[in-house]
Amino acid sequence: AQTVTQSQPEMSVQEAETVTLSCTYDTSESDYYLFWYKQPPSRQMILVIRQEAYKQQNATENRFSVNFQKAAKSFSLKISDSQLGDAAMYFCAYRRMDSSYKLIFGSGTRLLVRP
Amino acid sequence: GAGVSQSPRYKVAKRGQDVALRCDPISGHVSLFWYQQALGQGPEFLTYFQNEAQLDKSGLPSDRFFAERPEGSVSTLKIQRTQQEDSAVYLCASSHRDRGNQPQHFGDGTRLSIL
Repeated sequence: AQTVTQSQPEMSVQEAETVTLSCTYDTSESDYYLFWYKQPPSRQMILVIRQEAYKQQNATENRFSVNFQKAAKSFSLKISDSQLGDAAMYFCAYRRMDSSYKLIFGSGTRLLVRP
Repeated sequence: GAGVSQSPRYKVAKRGQDVALRCDPISGHVSLFWYQQALGQGPEFLTYFQNEAQLDKSGLPSDRFFAERPEGSVSTLKIQRTQQEDSAVYLCASSHRDRGNQPQHFGDGTRLSIL
């Protein structure tokens, strides 16, 4: 069974600085998808960034980028120029490529942004 | 509407009562998912629909949980004889096509509290 682990329950960053959130996962599949979701207090899960495992190039979305290390099964999220609005819970998630389309989430990292 | 709509936003029930949670997915989205999110945890998969067919219900914790999507659009998650351990946020998500690379779009969830 696939598992996703986020070992940092809480992280803190100064506004305008850079922070990295860690995620590791376990799977025997060779092709899959990885995601980072943001969940503010409003509870809605918002997709931040997505990575296809067959792509070697790390995904980037504006201030958000990932460091995908397939052999190490590591998928960290880097947030540059942190803003107050980035404060939220961040969840790493795994999804198989076949017909089992459920997302498997980690336990989350709470990001605090200091003004 | 433009997004996934869930109702009610909050639900308080006494132990032993039945509850029904509604999810209205994005128009045209084939796939619909239900997740359960306990306090301080990541969401956990409950069940998956492709149109009106319930293809995966492996995450439903007991036979007290029942989900349906009779016309392939709106879905209802029903919990019978509620217990305190059912207290959680219930998230609904939908995606456009039955392919793994389509992101899931989440609603704001229903926070269920069992007294």
